[in-house]
Amino acid sequence: EAGVVQSPRYKIIEKKQPVAFWCNPISGHNTLYWYLQNLGQGPELLIRYENEEAVDDSQLPKDRFSAERLKGVDSTLKIQPAELGDSAVYLCASSRGQNSPLHFGNGTRLTVT
Amino acid sequence: QKEVEQDPGPLSVPEGAIVSLNCTYSNSAFQYFMWYRQYSRKGPELLMFTYSSGNKEDGRFTAQVDKSSKYISLFIRDSQPSDSATYLCAMGLGGSNYKLTFGKGTLLTVNP
Repeated sequence: EAGVVQSPRYKIIEKKQPVAFWCNPISGHNTLYWYLQNLGQGPELLIRYENEEAVDDSQLPKDRFSAERLKGVDSTLKIQPAELGDSAVYLCASSRGQNSPLHFGNGTRLTVT
Repeated sequence: QKEVEQDPGPLSVPEGAIVSLNCTYSNSAFQYFMWYRQYSRKGPELLMFTYSSGNKEDGRFTAQVDKSSKYISLFIRDSQPSDSATYLCAMGLGGSNYKLTFGKGTLLTVNP
Protein backbone atom coordinates (compact mmCIF):
# COMPACT_ATOMS: atom_id res chain seq x y z
CA GLU A 1 0.00 0.00 0.00
CA ALA A 2 1.13 3.55 -0.61
CA GLY A 3 2.44 5.33 2.44
CA VAL A 4 1.58 8.71 3.91
CA VAL A 5 2.43 11.41 1.40
CA GLN A 6 3.43 14.91 2.44
CA SER A 7 4.31 17.97 0.44
CA PRO A 8 6.35 20.00 0.08
CA ARG A 9 9.43 18.20 1.45
CA TYR A 10 11.22 21.46 2.14
CA LYS A 11 10.05 25.03 2.58
CA ILE A 12 12.02 28.19 3.28
CA ILE A 13 10.12 31.36 4.11
CA GLU A 14 10.74 34.69 5.76
CA LYS A 15 9.23 35.37 9.16
CA LYS A 16 5.73 36.78 9.18
CA GLN A 17 4.90 34.98 5.93
CA PRO A 18 2.18 32.31 5.75
CA VAL A 19 2.92 28.67 4.94
CA ALA A 20 0.85 25.55 4.36
CA PHE A 21 1.63 21.85 4.47
CA TRP A 22 -0.38 19.09 2.85
CA CYS A 23 -0.86 15.46 3.85
CA ASN A 24 -2.50 12.49 2.13
CA PRO A 25 -2.91 9.58 4.56
CA ILE A 26 -2.88 5.86 3.82
CA SER A 27 -6.12 4.79 2.17
CA GLY A 28 -8.64 3.60 4.73
CA HIS A 29 -6.93 5.24 7.69
CA ASN A 30 -9.55 7.27 9.52
CA THR A 31 -7.23 8.82 12.08
CA LEU A 32 -4.77 11.51 11.04
CA TYR A 33 -2.15 13.24 13.16
CA TRP A 34 0.11 16.24 12.77
CA TYR A 35 3.31 16.12 14.78
CA LEU A 36 6.10 18.65 15.23
CA GLN A 37 9.70 17.44 15.50
CA ASN A 38 12.47 19.76 16.60
CA LEU A 39 16.10 18.84 16.02
CA GLY A 40 17.25 16.15 18.43
CA GLN A 41 13.78 15.66 19.86
CA GLY A 42 10.98 13.18 19.47
CA PRO A 43 7.79 14.14 17.64
CA GLU A 44 5.19 16.10 19.63
CA LEU A 45 1.49 15.98 18.81
CA LEU A 46 -0.13 19.10 17.41
CA ILE A 47 -3.57 17.80 16.41
CA ARG A 48 -5.43 14.52 15.93
CA TYR A 49 -8.39 13.94 13.61
CA GLU A 50 -10.95 11.17 13.67
CA ASN A 51 -12.36 11.38 10.16
CA GLU A 52 -13.02 15.11 9.67
CA GLU A 53 -13.35 15.95 13.37
CA ALA A 54 -10.45 17.40 15.33
CA VAL A 55 -10.68 15.39 18.55
CA ASP A 56 -7.48 16.61 20.18
CA ASP A 57 -6.05 20.03 19.34
CA SER A 58 -4.95 20.97 22.84
CA GLN A 59 -1.29 21.34 21.76
CA LEU A 60 -1.99 23.40 18.65
CA PRO A 61 -1.01 27.10 19.04
CA LYS A 62 -4.30 28.42 17.79
CA ASP A 63 -3.22 32.03 17.52
CA ARG A 64 -1.11 31.23 14.45
CA PHE A 65 -1.71 27.57 13.55
CA SER A 66 -4.78 26.12 11.89
CA ALA A 67 -5.62 22.78 10.35
CA GLU A 68 -8.40 21.23 8.38
CA ARG A 69 -9.35 17.82 7.09
CA LEU A 70 -12.13 18.25 4.61
CA LYS A 71 -14.03 15.11 3.61
CA GLY A 72 -12.03 13.13 6.16
CA VAL A 73 -9.12 12.32 3.84
CA ASP A 74 -6.42 14.89 3.00
CA SER A 75 -5.36 17.45 5.55
CA THR A 76 -3.70 20.85 5.50
CA LEU A 77 -1.76 22.50 8.31
CA LYS A 78 -1.23 26.25 8.08
CA ILE A 79 0.91 28.74 9.95
CA GLN A 80 0.17 32.45 9.69
CA PRO A 81 2.30 34.37 10.42
CA ALA A 82 5.40 32.18 10.76
CA GLU A 83 7.98 32.91 13.44
CA LEU A 84 11.65 31.97 13.65
CA GLY A 85 10.86 29.39 16.33
CA ASP A 86 8.56 27.52 13.96
CA SER A 87 11.56 26.11 12.10
CA ALA A 88 11.18 22.35 12.49
CA VAL A 89 9.98 19.22 10.72
CA TYR A 90 6.22 18.84 10.46
CA LEU A 91 5.20 15.21 10.32
CA CYS A 92 1.88 13.76 9.29
CA ALA A 93 0.82 10.29 10.41
CA SER A 94 -2.22 8.11 9.99
CA SER A 95 -3.66 4.99 11.58
CA ARG A 96 -6.65 2.67 11.13
CA GLY A 97 -8.10 4.02 14.32
CA GLN A 98 -7.69 3.93 18.03
CA ASN A 99 -5.09 1.56 19.42
CA SER A 100 -3.43 0.97 16.03
CA PRO A 101 0.17 1.84 15.17
CA LEU A 102 0.88 5.16 13.49
CA HIS A 103 2.48 5.35 10.07
CA PHE A 104 4.41 8.50 9.28
CA GLY A 105 5.19 10.46 6.17
CA ASN A 106 8.66 11.87 5.51
CA GLY A 107 7.68 15.28 6.79
CA THR A 108 8.04 18.86 5.65
CA ARG A 109 11.19 20.59 6.82
CA LEU A 110 10.39 24.25 7.44
CA THR A 111 13.04 26.93 7.73
CA VAL A 112 11.94 30.40 8.77
CA THR A 113 14.51 33.14 8.15
CA GLN B 1 10.09 14.66 35.03
CA LYS B 2 9.13 13.92 31.44
CA GLU B 3 6.58 11.19 30.81
CA VAL B 4 9.04 9.26 28.65
CA GLU B 5 12.78 9.25 29.21
CA GLN B 6 15.25 7.97 26.63
CA ASP B 7 19.02 8.24 26.64
CA PRO B 8 19.87 10.22 23.48
CA GLY B 9 23.29 8.60 23.13
CA PRO B 10 25.02 8.69 20.73
CA LEU B 11 25.73 4.99 20.75
CA SER B 12 28.47 3.54 18.55
CA VAL B 13 28.99 -0.21 18.15
CA PRO B 14 30.93 -2.51 15.82
CA GLU B 15 29.10 -4.53 13.19
CA GLY B 16 27.72 -7.76 14.61
CA ALA B 17 27.28 -6.42 18.14
CA ILE B 18 24.11 -6.79 20.18
CA VAL B 19 22.51 -3.40 20.76
CA SER B 20 20.28 -2.56 23.72
CA LEU B 21 18.09 0.55 23.63
CA ASN B 22 15.94 1.55 26.58
CA CYS B 23 13.18 3.87 27.71
CA THR B 24 11.52 4.50 31.04
CA TYR B 25 8.15 6.09 31.60
CA SER B 26 6.17 7.52 34.47
CA ASN B 27 2.55 7.18 33.32
CA SER B 28 1.24 3.78 34.38
CA ALA B 29 -1.79 4.30 32.11
CA PHE B 30 0.25 3.71 28.96
CA GLN B 31 -1.02 0.58 27.26
CA TYR B 32 0.72 0.53 23.88
CA PHE B 33 4.45 0.51 23.29
CA MET B 34 6.24 1.06 20.01
CA TRP B 35 9.69 1.42 18.60
CA TYR B 36 10.35 3.51 15.52
CA ARG B 37 13.47 3.82 13.43
CA GLN B 38 14.21 7.17 11.81
CA TYR B 39 16.85 7.63 9.15
CA SER B 40 18.23 11.10 8.51
CA ARG B 41 15.70 13.33 6.72
CA LYS B 42 13.05 10.61 6.74
CA GLY B 43 9.92 10.05 8.78
CA PRO B 44 9.79 7.53 11.67
CA GLU B 45 9.29 3.94 10.48
CA LEU B 46 7.46 1.48 12.72
CA LEU B 47 9.62 -1.41 13.92
CA MET B 48 7.71 -2.99 16.78
CA PHE B 49 4.23 -2.62 18.26
CA THR B 50 3.09 -4.29 21.45
CA TYR B 51 0.44 -3.84 24.11
CA SER B 52 1.46 -6.26 26.81
CA SER B 53 4.33 -7.05 29.08
CA GLY B 54 6.84 -9.60 27.87
CA ASN B 55 8.90 -10.10 24.75
CA LYS B 56 8.08 -9.78 21.08
CA GLU B 57 10.52 -10.90 18.42
CA ASP B 58 10.73 -9.96 14.75
CA GLY B 59 13.82 -11.11 12.92
CA ARG B 60 16.88 -9.53 14.52
CA PHE B 61 14.73 -7.26 16.70
CA THR B 62 13.27 -8.06 20.12
CA ALA B 63 11.05 -5.68 22.04
CA GLN B 64 10.68 -6.14 25.77
CA VAL B 65 8.10 -4.48 28.00
CA ASP B 66 8.15 -4.52 31.80
CA LYS B 67 5.08 -2.65 33.00
CA SER B 68 5.83 -3.24 36.67
CA SER B 69 9.13 -1.37 36.30
CA LYS B 70 7.81 1.04 33.63
CA TYR B 71 10.68 0.08 31.39
CA ILE B 72 10.88 -0.96 27.75
CA SER B 73 13.80 -2.17 25.68
CA LEU B 74 14.70 -2.89 22.09
CA PHE B 75 17.43 -5.40 21.32
CA ILE B 76 19.10 -5.64 17.93
CA ARG B 77 21.08 -8.80 17.24
CA ASP B 78 23.88 -9.04 14.70
CA SER B 79 23.75 -5.30 14.10
CA GLN B 80 24.44 -4.05 10.59
CA PRO B 81 25.66 -0.69 9.26
CA SER B 82 22.19 -0.28 7.75
CA ASP B 83 20.81 -0.21 11.32
CA SER B 84 22.52 3.16 11.82
CA ALA B 85 19.66 5.53 12.58
CA THR B 86 17.81 7.22 15.42
CA TYR B 87 15.56 4.90 17.41
CA LEU B 88 12.48 6.39 19.03
CA CYS B 89 10.37 4.75 21.69
CA ALA B 90 6.70 5.73 21.79
CA MET B 91 3.89 4.98 24.18
CA GLY B 92 0.15 5.40 23.94
CA LEU B 93 -2.88 5.60 26.13
CA GLY B 94 -5.82 3.46 25.13
CA GLY B 95 -9.35 4.15 24.03
CA SER B 96 -10.65 7.53 22.94
CA ASN B 97 -7.54 9.32 24.22
CA TYR B 98 -5.22 7.31 22.00
CA LYS B 99 -2.13 9.27 20.99
CA LEU B 100 1.59 8.64 21.19
CA THR B 101 4.16 10.22 23.46
CA PHE B 102 7.70 9.85 22.14
CA GLY B 103 11.11 9.69 23.72
CA LYS B 104 13.86 11.96 22.42
CA GLY B 105 15.43 9.16 20.38
CA THR B 106 18.80 7.40 20.57
CA LEU B 107 21.27 7.92 17.74
CA LEU B 108 22.90 4.59 16.85
CA THR B 109 25.93 4.12 14.60
CA VAL B 110 27.02 0.63 13.58
CA ASN B 111 30.59 0.66 12.30
CA PRO B 112 31.64 -1.83 9.60
